[in-house]
Amino acid sequence: EAQVTQNPRYLITVTGKKLTVTCSQNMNHEYMSWYRQDPGLGLRQIYYSMNVEVTDKGDVPEGYKVSRKEKRNFPLILESPSPNQTSLYFCASSPGTAHTDTQYFGPGTRLTVL
Amino acid sequence: GQNIDQPTEMTATEGAIVQINCTYQTSGFNGLFWYQQHAGEAPTFLSYNVLDGLEEKGRFSSFLSRSKGYSYLLLKELQMKDSASYLCAVMDSNYQLIWGAGTKLIIKP
Repeated sequence: EAQVTQNPRYLITVTGKKLTVTCSQNMNHEYMSWYRQDPGLGLRQIYYSMNVEVTDKGDVPEGYKVSRKEKRNFPLILESPSPNQTSLYFCASSPGTAHTDTQYFGPGTRLTVL
Repeated sequence: GQNIDQPTEMTATEGAIVQINCTYQTSGFNGLFWYQQHAGEAPTFLSYNVLDGLEEKGRFSSFLSRSKGYSYLLLKELQMKDSASYLCAVMDSNYQLIWGAGTKLIIKP
């Protein structure tokens, strides 16, 4: 089944404790991105990657890191999480960067930083 | 700055028709998307418009007017399962997606 998977789905952690949220897609998509979604705000892009070893900052990259060593995986790293990073996170992928390409979203990761 | 505006919440009756509006101000335009998002779930693609006019897809239709910076999503024959948030997103001149905050649609029997 074609899908985007994220792990963990739910995470409660404490300030300053490094964490990684994994994202994997099995559709051979070139483009992958991370979003956060907060009440009353639209989806905001954190980082995106157009291909292996190519990553770029989105609108809200501060406090996050990513890597794209393989086409299928695009982990999101929070080196020192803070309470303002409590949010719902979505990973998404699309075949390419053509403007007609729709994005396929993972199921989301609900992160709480205490 | 770039801005997408949609109503926060709308209520409609099962079997009726509802129109969800979206206005945008962006740096360039390379298409407008509508996504559906059920509570606690991931957004799923509904429609894409890049030319002016109406695109119909079953019970859902999407309209675009580029000169007015305006789009709407029309849902007909509403069903309870249509209760969800509807997200409008515009692709700007840099091919980045700018997202609206979403419209929560409540369907009443």
